[in-house]
Amino acid sequence: DIQMTQSPSSLSASVGDRVTITCRASQSISSYLNWYQQKTGTAPKLLIFAASTLQSGVPSRFSGSGSGTDFTLTISSLQPEDFASYYCQQSYITPWTFGQGTKVEIK
Amino acid sequence: QVQLQQWGAGLLRPSETLSLTCAVYGGSFSGSSWSWIRQSPGKGLEWIGEINHSGSTDYNPSLKSRVTISVDTSRKQFSLQLSSVTAADTAVYYCVRGRGIAAATNTYYGLDVWGQGTTVTVSS
Repeated sequence: DIQMTQSPSSLSASVGDRVTITCRASQSISSYLNWYQQKTGTAPKLLIFAASTLQSGVPSRFSGSGSGTDFTLTISSLQPEDFASYYCQQSYITPWTFGQGTKVEIK
Repeated sequence: QVQLQQWGAGLLRPSETLSLTCAVYGGSFSGSSWSWIRQSPGKGLEWIGEINHSGSTDYNPSLKSRVTISVDTSRKQFSLQLSSVTAADTAVYYCVRGRGIAAATNTYYGLDVWGQGTTVTVSS
């Protein structure tokens, strides 16, 4: 299985801050990388697919980059509704695997 | 707008069989795959397996010996059975649509519609 490792596991930030989350795959996955946002008590929501393409309706303050084994999710200016957990997921080969998550908390 | 509605027993005893069903509303059943994913504090998000409208399945090798995913296309429903459950199977279970999405020159696969989740607890 492809292992996905996210860092950090949690972070504290203020509204307006720029936030960066990193995801590393245990082998090259080209651009087959998705990002999800999960708020407490709800299901994950697809934010970004193909490493950098925003899902319809996702605000432009979210962006993704990377290819191969190293990927980044950036929130350019953190908004109150962005406090949540974020997960990366590889869609290169089954079994699909997820990172352990990054919890973004209010400072 | 595709929506998924799932249901099933939430409390099981060890060795019983977990059974969940998910109904697809508002969209086509073909052309997508239909997955089950679970989430627990200890193991995070774990893909269990998927099925397409023709009944072809793909399972996570870690669970393959205990998992059956089936489909009823006439009802636009798919189901999960997980046998011989233990406390380690305690989790929130989600049904999920997997869809190929064209980007650049390739097609990428995203889990773009999720059910509301069912909390399953295994306890004696």
